[in-house]
Amino acid sequence: ELKVEQNPLFLSMQEGKNYTIYCNYSTTSDRLYWYRQDPGKSLESLFVLLSNGAVKQEGRLMASLDTKARLSTLHITAAVHDLSATYFCAVVTNSGYALNFGKGTSLLVTP
Amino acid sequence: GAGVSQSPSNKVTEKGKDVELRCDPISGHTALYWYRQSLGQGLEFLIYFQGNSAPDKSGLPSDRFSAERTGGSVSTLTIQRTQQEDSAVYLCASSLVASTGNTIYFGEGSWLTVV
Repeated sequence: ELKVEQNPLFLSMQEGKNYTIYCNYSTTSDRLYWYRQDPGKSLESLFVLLSNGAVKQEGRLMASLDTKARLSTLHITAAVHDLSATYFCAVVTNSGYALNFGKGTSLLVTP
Repeated sequence: GAGVSQSPSNKVTEKGKDVELRCDPISGHTALYWYRQSLGQGLEFLIYFQGNSAPDKSGLPSDRFSAERTGGSVSTLTIQRTQQEDSAVYLCASSLVASTGNTIYFGEGSWLTVV
């Protein structure tokens, strides 16, 4: 059974600070997705990472993938309040199609 | 439409009734997925359709759940004899083609409450 573990599950950080969210998974995969979810809203696609060493950046968020370590990171630079949301990583196995989600990281950015 | 469209957005139903949830994927997307999101279980895969191929039903939690996709476009998720544990947000998603790493886009969801 594929397991996807995110940590931390809850994160409170001050504006202007940097932090990293980690996503570990238990089986071989070369497709990893990051999503953002605001309260009461649906999932917004942030990044799709398709190969070992892939790095993508959008604004204050940067995601990377290490398929050998089965690890992806979502790095937040100089956080602002608008980044407050829940962030999910999701993995697709090499033989499958379904997204297998982590439990999500609930991020709160405070002044 | 520009995005994945789902209806109804909210549904309250009595235990034991049947419900149908509809999903209209992004035009041209051949892959369609249903997921369920609840506080206790997180985000769970239910079923996946790819073009005219047989669907992957491996995530459906019981035989009370079924889904169809007509004409390779609109999909309906049906829950028969609803139970309180079926209360959740049902999310539909679509992508151009599965298995190639295309972005998977989610709809706003159908919030189901079984009373």
